[in-house]
Amino acid sequence: GESVGLHLPTLSVQEGDNSIINCAYSNSASDYFIWYKQESGKGPQFIIDIRSNMDKRQGQRVTVLLNKTVKHLSLQIAATQPGDSAVYFCAENLAGKLIFGQGTELSVKP
Amino acid sequence: NAGVTQTPKFQVLKTGQSMTLQCAQDMNHNSMYWYRQDPGMGLRLIYYSASEGTTDKGEVPNGYNVSRLNKREFSLRLESAAPSQTSVYFCASIRTRSSYEQYFGPGTRLTVT
Repeated sequence: GESVGLHLPTLSVQEGDNSIINCAYSNSASDYFIWYKQESGKGPQFIIDIRSNMDKRQGQRVTVLLNKTVKHLSLQIAATQPGDSAVYFCAENLAGKLIFGQGTELSVKP
Repeated sequence: NAGVTQTPKFQVLKTGQSMTLQCAQDMNHNSMYWYRQDPGMGLRLIYYSASEGTTDKGEVPNGYNVSRLNKREFSLRLESAAPSQTSVYFCASIRTRSSYEQYFGPGTRLTVT
């Protein structure tokens, strides 16, 4: 029979507002984390990364925060734009393999 | 510089048919990966090749085989397709294992009826 897909967590924000997307990772031995953006019908695209010896890293309009105590990662997007609408995945590196989270769908309202 | 390319973009197979998904990268990367993505889910690693001549299983290897033909090309083969293999397949590459930024291809959407 037809399979039913899982519903992604969704975050809806107004254009110009800041967005915060959260991710819980599973393994305390993970040493590297990446955020990817995936637009509809395309492959994932690298946004920003952070190593486990850091707790914050900034890029252009994006900031990643890492809290190893609670195994939590967040992606902050400043001044969110319609072009930011996509699914965002966090990934953790464990022994050379990337383990992806389920993803969060970001919807930007004009 | 085309990056990572995949063929075909779409494919419909009947149960039991076989096919090979092709992937090539022109960035001189050492490591290449095959993932599958099911609706509403993240990517799951099928197989990877750390360097030319080596391949290793990932999280969901059953029902698949791979070939690292040369440094540029990494193919994924379904010997006897099953409806559970209906998915979108992505190929990715990285320069070295110390740099984990993966470059992804556009994906192959496969339906098995």
